[in-house]
Parts: sequence; C-alpha cells; structure tokens
Amino acid sequence: GAVVSQHPSWVICKSGTSVKIECRSLDFQATTMFWYRQFPKQSLMLMATSNEGSKATYEQGVEKDKFLINHASLTLSTLTVTSAHPEDSSFYICSARDPPGGTSSTDTQYFGPGTRLTVL
Amino acid sequence: QKEVEQNSGPLSVPEGAIASLNCTYSDRGSQSFFWYRQYSGKSPELIMSIYSNGDKEDGRFTAQLNKASQYVSLLIRDSQPSDSATYLCAVNMRVPNDYKLSFGAGTTVTVRA
Repeated sequence: GAVVSQHPSWVICKSGTSVKIECRSLDFQATTMFWYRQFPKQSLMLMATSNEGSKATYEQGVEKDKFLINHASLTLSTLTVTSAHPEDSSFYICSARDPPGGTSSTDTQYFGPGTRLTVL
Repeated sequence: QKEVEQNSGPLSVPEGAIASLNCTYSDRGSQSFFWYRQYSGKSPELIMSIYSNGDKEDGRFTAQLNKASQYVSLLIRDSQPSDSATYLCAVNMRVPNDYKLSFGAGTTVTVRA
C-alpha cells in the first residue's frame, strides 16, 4: 500500500507558540490529503481536506486561522497550529488519498503515523 | 442518528476463536467501506476494503457487506494476541464534489492468550 510519513512524531511546546506538522506521501503523488485529530478514547475527527495548489476545505467548527494548512506540492502538506493552547493537545494524523487525481468512492486513504502534540 | 455506528465493546475473545465486529451506516448511497486497525498510540492501518455485497476474504479476515441492510461486518478467524487493537469501520460518504471518510467510534478487541 501507499506510504505516508509525518514529522515530527511528537512535540511538546509552550502555550502560545506555533507548531508545524509535515505530512508526506513517499511513493505516490497525493493531490488530496486529509488532516484528522483524535482525542483519547475517541475516534478520528476530520479537520480539513487539503488540496494541492488550492485552499484547504475546513470542517464545521474548525478554525481556519488557527489551523493553517498548506499543500504546496504533490507530496507535502503541512498543518500549523498557531498560538497553541493546552486544549489543542491531541493526536494529529494526516492521510493521503490514492489514486491521486479525480475523486471516486473507491479511493482509499492511507494514514501517516501521527503526531502527538502536547501543549504545556 | 450517527453516520456510522459500531457495536459497543470492548470485545474479549480467547485465542483461536472468531471475533465478530459489526457496523451500520446511515447513508444508503454509500458505496465503499473500509476496516482499519488501530493499535494503542498508533495511527489507523487499512486491513480491508469492500465495495460489493457479499463476502471478501483476506487471510484470517473476512469482510461482509449487505447494502440493503446498510450493514458491514468484519470477522477475524483464529484470533491471535497480536489482533488486540481497536477496529474502526469507515464509510466513504459523498459530499459536494468529493468524498470523505466517516468513522465509527471503534470496537476494542482483546484476545486472551
């Protein structure tokens, strides 16, 4: 299957700082990537859909000015948590859709290993 | 009504037994269904996809789909301790100009040695 990487795997930061998380598709080009957040004992919640070369589409309730997404190339999407606060502490997971290009109901999402963010 | 619902866990099975996981979905137009396995502290890993009614087998895993009943299940045969994880049912749902995955809450499986 397709391989997706994330960096860093974990990060601890002080309240008020910004944190950038990278998501890369290693063996295929991903025109669409997704960013999820998962709190303990809960399922994945989609935050936004990242499309290469265009603005991200955010889910209802997700602050686009707080969670900045950039998808500048076919293999890299970044999520920046700006002015992070303790309530932003969570497990952030990206996924990339394969095959790239158009959309189909049979398209499969492959997940990166996740980034655990702790805001002190 | 939740978009995707899974049978509540946790589910505990003895080693070598069959673990049965169930999932129902609300959108009758959904066409694609996925089972992901998530170990504690890790991200989800795709184990099965199914698009047509009936059974699909892959090793010890069998996915079953019944679109008329809006029901999809996963059977794990000859369960091993390494199968202990949370299993997420995901449905590809149509949104304007795209699809997005909707996840169930997950069923935690524990295989007793």
